[in-house]
Amino acid sequence: EPEVTQTPSHQVTQMGQEVILRCVPISNHLYFYWYRQILGQKVEFLVSFYNNEISEKSEIFDDQFSVERPDGSNFTLKIRSTKLEDSAMYFCASSASEILPLHFGNGTRLTVT
Amino acid sequence: GENVEQHPSTLSVQEGDSAVIKCTYSDSASNYFPWYKQELGKRPQLIIDIRSNVGEKKDQRIAVTLNKTAKHFSLHITETQPEDSAVYFCAASSRANSWGKLQFGAGTQVVVTP
Repeated sequence: EPEVTQTPSHQVTQMGQEVILRCVPISNHLYFYWYRQILGQKVEFLVSFYNNEISEKSEIFDDQFSVERPDGSNFTLKIRSTKLEDSAMYFCASSASEILPLHFGNGTRLTVT
Repeated sequence: GENVEQHPSTLSVQEGDSAVIKCTYSDSASNYFPWYKQELGKRPQLIIDIRSNVGEKKDQRIAVTLNKTAKHFSLHITETQPEDSAVYFCAASSRANSWGKLQFGAGTQVVVTP
């Protein structure tokens, strides 16, 4: 069964540094998402992406965040100047259509020190 | 915005017994309700979902019921097995926002003891 893959599985960075989290969605999927889960809290929606543009974003997704689909296979989340409170598990997800279920990747654990 | 509450936070059951997890939601426009299972260190995996045009859906040992009037939905696992041990998340979304913009519950840690 095809899977969403995310790299790296764990990223440690210093406060103020930029990080890029990478995702390879399932190949025929058209809708892409980022979610995050702070330890012990709910999974939270960050952003959805379709047709090379953001279709929706949450209040969490402020100017320090950006997403990009640089080529036909990758989908990235960039955090420009990381803060301690950005430490979380970041999940990428994709779906084949707007009404079909989301498939999640294994996540990237981001630790900001 | 939508708020999803999930109970209980932990659930211990004996193998073979049933497990029930309940979720309530606040936005009456929500019409898509998936359930995800997450094993330790692994991805959330969709196990079943329901849309608001039906009241119940079943897939082998798993069933989901939806009460739109009361704004709650439940996951039922029958004949539980040790491999059912995991964290289960309910979620809700609506076409008005975006079906992919899921609002998750806090999760239920299910432990099935042999």
